Amino acid sequence: AQTVTQSQPEMSVQEAETVTLSCTYDTSESDYYLFWYKQPPSRQMILVIRQEAYKQQNATENRFSVNFQKAAKSFSLKISDSQLGDAAMYFCAYRSALSGTASKLTFGTGTRLQVTL
Amino acid sequence: DARVTQTPRDKVTEMGQEVTMRCQPILGHNTVFWYRQTMMQGLELLAYFRNRAPLDDSGMPKDRFSAEMPDATLATLKIQPSEPRDSAVYFCASGHSGALQETQYFGPGTRLLVL
Repeated sequence: AQTVTQSQPEMSVQEAETVTLSCTYDTSESDYYLFWYKQPPSRQMILVIRQEAYKQQNATENRFSVNFQKAAKSFSLKISDSQLGDAAMYFCAYRSALSGTASKLTFGTGTRLQVTL
Repeated sequence: DARVTQTPRDKVTEMGQEVTMRCQPILGHNTVFWYRQTMMQGLELLAYFRNRAPLDDSGMPKDRFSAEMPDATLATLKIQPSEPRDSAVYFCASGHSGALQETQYFGPGTRLLVL
């Protein structure tokens, strides 16, 4: 079974600064997808960014980028130019790419990000 | 602006009552997922449908929970009878199995409190 670990329960960053959230995972599969979801106080789960394991290039979405290290099974999220609206819980998630398997997401325990002035 | 909708947004009920949560997936999506979020367990999958057929409900307590998709635009999750330990936020998510990444898009969740 796959597991996802987020070792930072809480992180804090000053507005306009950069912060990196860590995520590691354990799997025996070679093909899979990784995601970062954001959950603000409104509790809506919002997709931030996704990465296909077969792609070596790190995904980027505006101020959000990932550092995907497949061999190390690491998938960190970097938020640049942090804004107050970035304050939220961030969840790292794994999904198998194998056909025929349940496409469920396996989530980490989350990192609460605070953004200060 | 396509999005997953869920009703009700919040539900307070007494132990023993039936609870029905509804989800409308994004039009064109053929996979629907029900997740439960609690402080203790985090986010966990309860059930999963593809083309309205249940593929995996191993995460769901069978004696009291049931999940159905009466049609492609409606998924339901029922709890009967409800218990205080069922208090949680229940999320519905939808995706398309034909899409390369089959990204799951979440609804706003139903916060359930069982007294």
